[in-house]
Amino acid sequence: LAKTTQPISMDSYEGQEVNITCSHNNIATNDYITWYQQFPSQGPRFIIQGYKTKVTNEVASLFIPADRKSSTLSLPRVSLSDTAVYYCLPSKENTPLVFGKGTRLSVIA
Amino acid sequence: DAGVTQSPTHLIKTRGQQVTLRCSPKSGHDTVSWYQQALGQGPQFIFQYYEEEERQRGNFPDRFSGHQFPNYSSELNVNALLLGDSALYLCASSLGGMGNQPQHFGDGTRLSIL
Repeated sequence: LAKTTQPISMDSYEGQEVNITCSHNNIATNDYITWYQQFPSQGPRFIIQGYKTKVTNEVASLFIPADRKSSTLSLPRVSLSDTAVYYCLPSKENTPLVFGKGTRLSVIA
Repeated sequence: DAGVTQSPTHLIKTRGQQVTLRCSPKSGHDTVSWYQQALGQGPQFIFQYYEEEERQRGNFPDRFSGHQFPNYSSELNVNALLLGDSALYLCASSLGGMGNQPQHFGDGTRLSIL
């Protein structure tokens, strides 16, 4: 599976939009990009998944450019409760999820 | 609709002992995966069970073994515990496969080895 690179940490104030970019230069043709969120002492929680262009759900948006070498998770108007670690993973059928260290997002009041 | 449940939530063992962790998948799911998460790291895949058989395995020694029951629940067994086995053990369930299927995680068992 493609190796991913994310910022180790990010800080944001409440109410701001946060964009977390993940680099995956050697992503395979049949890989999807999946994002998980993890709060302290909890298991990861699926946020969003996409293959190309833009995907939006009630929690976040995911932007994947045409070359698919990167993706950006966008969290609109973050609150203190969005403080968590965010993981970007390439994923495909019948292949285990491979987590990196993720991005630690701290939201400040 | 219950999500993934794991027991116990915390456990303390000493080196050389054996431990069994338990997982009940989300209702309707038939596939269970186990992950180990060391402090400050992302979860690492141990193995996956489907139809009561180990389907895939990560880079873990055979001290780590598992089982899946007919009701899809699963156990993770670790023998001859080492200090380095201290971690959060996560169970995830899904329907049918892995990869593109979003996995639903439990909140884990925190295992401490003294």
